Amino acid sequence: GENVEQHPSTLSVQEGDSAVIKCTYSDSASNYFPWYKQELGKGPQLIIDIRSNVGEKKDQRIAVTLNKTAKHFSLHITETQPEDSAVYFCATLQAAGNKLTFGGGTRVLVKP
Amino acid sequence: DTEVTQTPKHLVMGMTNKKSLKCEQHMGHRAMYWYKQKAKKPPELMFVYSYEKLSINESVPSRFSPECPNSSLLNLHLHALQPEDSALYLCASSRQGGLGTRTDTQYFGPGTRLTVL
Repeated sequence: GENVEQHPSTLSVQEGDSAVIKCTYSDSASNYFPWYKQELGKGPQLIIDIRSNVGEKKDQRIAVTLNKTAKHFSLHITETQPEDSAVYFCATLQAAGNKLTFGGGTRVLVKP
Repeated sequence: DTEVTQTPKHLVMGMTNKKSLKCEQHMGHRAMYWYKQKAKKPPELMFVYSYEKLSINESVPSRFSPECPNSSLLNLHLHALQPEDSALYLCASSRQGGLGTRTDTQYFGPGTRLTVL
């Protein structure tokens, strides 16, 4: 089955700096890669996603890159703000599948 | 609107109680999911309903019983739970649930924080 590894497990950055979280996956059949942000006491919220026919996608301060050959994808947050502090999960989904496989999560702390 | 609602927000129950968690979405999605999330861990899939039929049961103990009365509602009936079942229970929905070659975004609700005493 699919295995997703996420690094780092914790990340502390100064406000205004960039944050990068990396995930690797094992199943070449995976073709959809969402990122979720989970704040304390809340459910995961989709912040950005990318499909396998695209190498990069950007939405304001957030971007995701995908390297299908190397089986890894990354989340980039620029100009971090205190409200970016949360746990971030990467995930993968196979074609015609509905079972998300999550990475272990990254706790991001943005220091003012 | 990508809202999934869950009730109650918090639930405390004894090991002999019977309770139910409820989930609702009005996005016209035809797949609904139950996940369990322990502290500092990612969500773990429990059940998937696709077009109101149970399509995936991730070997969940029978003390958890899912029900999908219609395409908008999903229940999780709880009976004789153990303290180790205390967790955040998340509901999610997606448009088609993986039929054909399409992979659909899953949208999560806020969760029910369950404590079993």
